[in-house]
Amino acid sequence: QSVLTQPPSVSGAPGQRVTISCTGSSSNIGADYDVHWYQQLPGTAPKLLISGNSNRPSGVPDRFSGSKSGTSASLAITGLQAEDEADYYCQSYDSSLSALYVFGTGTKVTVL
Amino acid sequence: EVQLVESGGGLVQPGGSLRLSCAASGFTFSSYWMSWVRQAPGKGLQWVANIKQDGSEKKYVDSVKGRFTISRDNAKNSLYLQMNSLRDEDTAVYYCARVARTLYGDYFNYWGQGTLVTVSS
Repeated sequence: QSVLTQPPSVSGAPGQRVTISCTGSSSNIGADYDVHWYQQLPGTAPKLLISGNSNRPSGVPDRFSGSKSGTSASLAITGLQAEDEADYYCQSYDSSLSALYVFGTGTKVTVL
Repeated sequence: EVQLVESGGGLVQPGGSLRLSCAASGFTFSSYWMSWVRQAPGKGLQWVANIKQDGSEKKYVDSVKGRFTISRDNAKNSLYLQMNSLRDEDTAVYYCARVARTLYGDYFNYWGQGTLVTVSS
């Protein structure tokens, strides 16, 4: 039921920069709704990483940054660290009738 | 510290019922919209339902409409999800989440640890 598309996986060596894309449509991201990002470490609950396209909650390292343009958004991780290995999900509001909130398909980040 | 603790998950046969609970603490529960979000094994996240502060508004994803009911008891700082006519595809970890309402689209700023619901004969 995901309507936001993400790459299944991305990888990088420690210290490198990786980006995760999130592509939506005219009923969600393209309708000017904000994109939010969550990190899910193995075996744990999701945790808010970025809100409102680019805002980091208190405690989130500034290695994580978000942006949005048109019907897409991106999450960048700079200075990749071993503890960043996790699943990442984007989320937005959707004005269609089937669901209020939609999530991305999820991206597994692997630190080589 | 905000805490959300789910309970009530378990194994249930197709067509059966289950009631999930979420105990909230560390914030003024009655001031926030709340949601249930689920994650099937090895799959992504799916929003299930949400409820307004006073319970007067409730929204559901299409796939659970008419089968699931979200409710809350502000006196007990608790959120509930009554699940009826359960199907195999309802098997998932169910998370309770606090909603952050914004002009440009809500998000979930706190999550519980989840409770596993398995629908199987």
